[in-house]
Amino acid sequence: NAGVTQTPKFQVLKTGQSMTLQCAQDMNHEYMSWYRQDPGMGLRLIHYSVGAGITDQGEVPNGYNVSRSTTEDFPLRLLSAAPSQTSVYFCASSYSRGGNTGELFFGEGSRLTVL
Amino acid sequence: KNQVEQSPQSLIILEGKNCTLQCNYTVSPFSNLRWYKQDTGRGPVSLTIMTFSENTKSNGRYTATLDADTKQSSLHITASQLSDSASYICVVSGGGGSQGNLIFGKGTKLSVKP
Repeated sequence: NAGVTQTPKFQVLKTGQSMTLQCAQDMNHEYMSWYRQDPGMGLRLIHYSVGAGITDQGEVPNGYNVSRSTTEDFPLRLLSAAPSQTSVYFCASSYSRGGNTGELFFGEGSRLTVL
Repeated sequence: KNQVEQSPQSLIILEGKNCTLQCNYTVSPFSNLRWYKQDTGRGPVSLTIMTFSENTKSNGRYTATLDADTKQSSLHITASQLSDSASYICVVSGGGGSQGNLIFGKGTKLSVKP
């Protein structure tokens, strides 16, 4: 199993550019999520989804869009990149039972630099 | 406010020694507590998940304990190895039907020296 696959691993953008971080999982997990990790801040939830067609905002959603058209894919879109979005982004997935999230499986991360 | 506090922030130990990492939380309601290991430049990997009724859970040389009354957890690493050098993240699930209710600690960075 590939698990959770994120692309690209590294990206440099200029302020104002847009891009999409891709995330795919092959474990048939209902729950998928995006986090950003900044030094001294820990992991912070950006957006999450509990199934195809369902998304919701996390702690830091501003400047990001998501969609969930299939169970496998959960792309994260940066609409107009800003230097404050320089970070390492992690996608994670898990099963979902009765409103509770199971063990999270993380991707290897996407390191984004906005100049 | 739901919070997860980890201590120490960083720790250096010699190879072969034991160590204990601490996690205190104020999350309510409580569903479960997880410990993750994150190697530098990699994604976090799950070590243990403990529910309210579990006091101790082991995964090889890693043993996690949970005291739900005092809202404290610890991760004990026995006979440390160089490969244990990583950040260890405590995560508390608030449950309550909210899929986004995972509260992350900031992690403890462990360095194991030869």
